[in-house]
Amino acid sequence: GESVGLHLPTLSVQEGDNSIINCAYSNSASDYFIWYKQESGKGPQFIIDIRSNMDKRQGQRVTVLLNKTVKHLSLQIAATQPGDSAVYFCAEKNSWGKLQFGAGTQVVVTP
Amino acid sequence: DAGVTQSPTHLIKTRGQHVTLRCSPISGHKSVSWYQQVLGQGPQFIFQYYEKEERGRGNFPDRFSARQFPNYSSELNVNALLLGDSALYLCASSSQGADEAFFGQGTRLTVV
Repeated sequence: GESVGLHLPTLSVQEGDNSIINCAYSNSASDYFIWYKQESGKGPQFIIDIRSNMDKRQGQRVTVLLNKTVKHLSLQIAATQPGDSAVYFCAEKNSWGKLQFGAGTQVVVTP
Repeated sequence: DAGVTQSPTHLIKTRGQHVTLRCSPISGHKSVSWYQQVLGQGPQFIFQYYEKEERGRGNFPDRFSARQFPNYSSELNVNALLLGDSALYLCASSSQGADEAFFGQGTRLTVV
């Protein structure tokens, strides 16, 4: 079946550097994508979303890029902080709200 | 305001037993979804309920069932527990299902 998956299981980043987390999706009909952050012992937390009619969307310190040609999604975190250490998931949302998550990327911020 | 609350936070059950997990959505939210998150993986969709009706079901066996009450809280029931049911069970609420979903902290179920 269709799936959403991630390239890198673990990303180690030095504090202050920029982080880039990648995600590949296989359903070319996907219309809406979301990035979630999950800290240890907590549920996923919404970070930023993007619709398929957009290539880029910016939030506070985060940017999501969508390349529909190669079915690729990325999350960029500027000036990574220790509080950014978490597992990051991309997810596809269908028309009635079902979320299909990828496997996740563990981001470890080192001092 | 209270977020999505789930109970219990942790639970240990024996194979073959039954378990009931509970979720209270954010006040005003009418949709509740359940997800199973096995350690090291992303959450997998189990059910979505909206206005007490099942809107969607994921690829889970009939041992899994759920319901939503008039106050929009929800229960997830799992019968005949297997070791592979050990996971973090997440509840998410949203205003109308397709809106932004807010997750609870989950119930950690361990089957021994």
